[in-house]
Amino acid sequence: EVQLVESGGDLVQPGGSLRLSCEGSGLNFNTHYMTWVRQAPGKGLEWVANIKADGSDKNYADSVKGRFTISRDNARNSLYLQMNSLRVEDTAVYFCARELSWSGSDYWGQGTLVSVSS
Amino acid sequence: QSALTQPASVSGSPGQSITISCTGTSSDVGGYNYVSWYQQHPGKAPKLMLYDVTIRPSGVSSRFSGSKSGNTASLTISGLQAEDEADYYCSSYSGANTPHYVFGTGTRVTVL
Repeated sequence: EVQLVESGGDLVQPGGSLRLSCEGSGLNFNTHYMTWVRQAPGKGLEWVANIKADGSDKNYADSVKGRFTISRDNARNSLYLQMNSLRVEDTAVYFCARELSWSGSDYWGQGTLVSVSS
Repeated sequence: QSALTQPASVSGSPGQSITISCTGTSSDVGGYNYVSWYQQHPGKAPKLMLYDVTIRPSGVSSRFSGSKSGNTASLTISGLQAEDEADYYCSSYSGANTPHYVFGTGTRVTVL
């Protein structure tokens, strides 16, 4: 069974940091791009970042560039998102997903909630 | 990195066909055949329904089909069923500036 499980979501103050994790099982984790997508409460989907299978290529949305860092550990089938200088507008459910190399994402986790508030 | 434009809502009766449009620019939808569509039920993760404009992943009903003309992509649901009631999002690769994905604004499909 294919599974992606996110963790690390929490309530954090503006300016704070948080690290999200996503562990995969039952899928060829180390041969695919992986991506993070977020969804603010009651809003639409927003792409955040993606990373190539070997970690050699990373891309970011303008809204998080310079604040967020995507990384992966293929030996652990794990994807990470280090989030620094968090803002209220970063409040969202964060999903990790397996990518089909810019063609879309076929497997998704259930999401983890990040709340940024004072 | 502007969102793709979708109608806020589309509705139809069971058995009918509906079409959702997704309008972008020549830097995204019009420039690449990397358009995908997602279905999302409340409180659930998105589900990939189509990728590369027209390709259905294994397990997705043939009632879902896609097309593209110029800067606009479309998702058609034929034989509308109650379980099709959900939010639908398009997405596209964009080569503008640095490579990135852009999502559509989302469409709520209501089965009357």
